[in-house]
Amino acid sequence: KAGVTQTPRYLIKTRGQQVTLSCSPISGHRSVSWYQQTPGQGLQFLFEYFSETQRNKGNFPGRFSGRQFSNSRSEMNVSTLELGDSALYLCASSHRPGTGEETQYFGPGTRLLVL
Amino acid sequence: AQSVTQLGSHVSVSEGALVLLRCNYSSSVPPYLFWYVQYPNQGLQLLLKYTSAATLVKGINDFEAEFKKSETSFHLTKPSAHMSDAAEYFCAVDQGGKLIFGQGTELSVKP
Repeated sequence: KAGVTQTPRYLIKTRGQQVTLSCSPISGHRSVSWYQQTPGQGLQFLFEYFSETQRNKGNFPGRFSGRQFSNSRSEMNVSTLELGDSALYLCASSHRPGTGEETQYFGPGTRLLVL
Repeated sequence: AQSVTQLGSHVSVSEGALVLLRCNYSSSVPPYLFWYVQYPNQGLQLLLKYTSAATLVKGINDFEAEFKKSETSFHLTKPSAHMSDAAEYFCAVDQGGKLIFGQGTELSVKP
């Protein structure tokens, strides 16, 4: 079974631009979560989607948004990019959300560099 | 709110030596705990998880962790380190479906 895939793997943008990242979950998984990883702040939860609905949200500004499609694929968007948005963005999928018994499986990440 | 603390941002061991990576959690309810590993330029790979079925949890690549409620700890061990174990290790607690991670411990293995 194929794992979580994320595209693109690497991205370079300039301040003020916007960016869209894509995540395809493991087949049969309906929950998708996004995390940001930076050297300073570590791994931080962005949001979680299940059945096309945002179920949970972390403490990030409104410039960070996401959505989920009927096939469970998810996208996240960051508008008006800032230098501090440079990070590795990780997507994780699981069968269903909200229960710790579920394991989240992570993709390889998209590395975003903002210049 | 739940939290995780990993003691030691860097740990160095010799090949063949015991690996011990420390994790303490804070939780008001019985926690679900995880250890993930991250190799350079890769995502996170699950090593093992605790879901209250057994206090000693065995994972992949001979890693194991013991849940100790009295010490609020979930330390990760491996009897004999391999060069291929060099990576960053993250302890995490589940909070309603979102993972709260520790700051990570980078493991170096010396030949």
